[in-house]
Amino acid sequence: DTGVSQDPRHKITKRGQNVTFRCDPISEHNRLYWYRQTLGQGPEFLTYFQNEAQLEKSRLLSDRFSAERPKGSFSTLEIQRTEQGDSAMYLCASSSQGTSAADTQYFGPGTRLTVL
Amino acid sequence: QKEVEQNSGPLSVPEGAIASLNCTYSDRGSQSFFWYRQYSGKSPELIMSIYSNGDKEDGRFTAQLNKASQYVSLLIRDSQPSDSATYLCAVIPYTGGFKTIFGAGTRLFVKA
Repeated sequence: DTGVSQDPRHKITKRGQNVTFRCDPISEHNRLYWYRQTLGQGPEFLTYFQNEAQLEKSRLLSDRFSAERPKGSFSTLEIQRTEQGDSAMYLCASSSQGTSAADTQYFGPGTRLTVL
Repeated sequence: QKEVEQNSGPLSVPEGAIASLNCTYSDRGSQSFFWYRQYSGKSPELIMSIYSNGDKEDGRFTAQLNKASQYVSLLIRDSQPSDSATYLCAVIPYTGGFKTIFGAGTRLFVKA
């Protein structure tokens, strides 16, 4: 257990429905990342936050995806009008801004989304 | 060309041997490089980070970086069956931020 939690762990939905996932990072971590991973592939970057500011969002992300991190604590990822191609594991990671150029990301257990 | 490329494997080595995992990246300005291990059904966990050309050793693991060749590798000495996992290479390209790009991973099997 890394200390990063995600909820729910599994979500089954019908095509066209909206879904929302939650990530609670390690409490002192100010950076939070969202990734999507499909079978046989590495995690695909979606977006990341530093505190409450969303600093970068993947160009691959359509307008159906939105993420928030109010107050710089937990984060939510919403997918509107889900499609079967959205079926994947959605991973959250957090890291602490250190003195080095980059720092260790700690991953949560993921939310597995199945779109029927 | 993919931003981070790895041989998908599987790479099979006998117990006690050295496993060598390789990764190439496309952004010449990349400054930060990572190796993550992912067991089946689990989330990635960091093994090594490397920022400068040369070798970095941590226990049985050695990361090697060659920025001129845009190449990073991971050596696992005295491989154990518990090392059997997918190894993900990750790179932070030079964007001024912390967007992290992962390769597809190399599956490693260590035979007892």
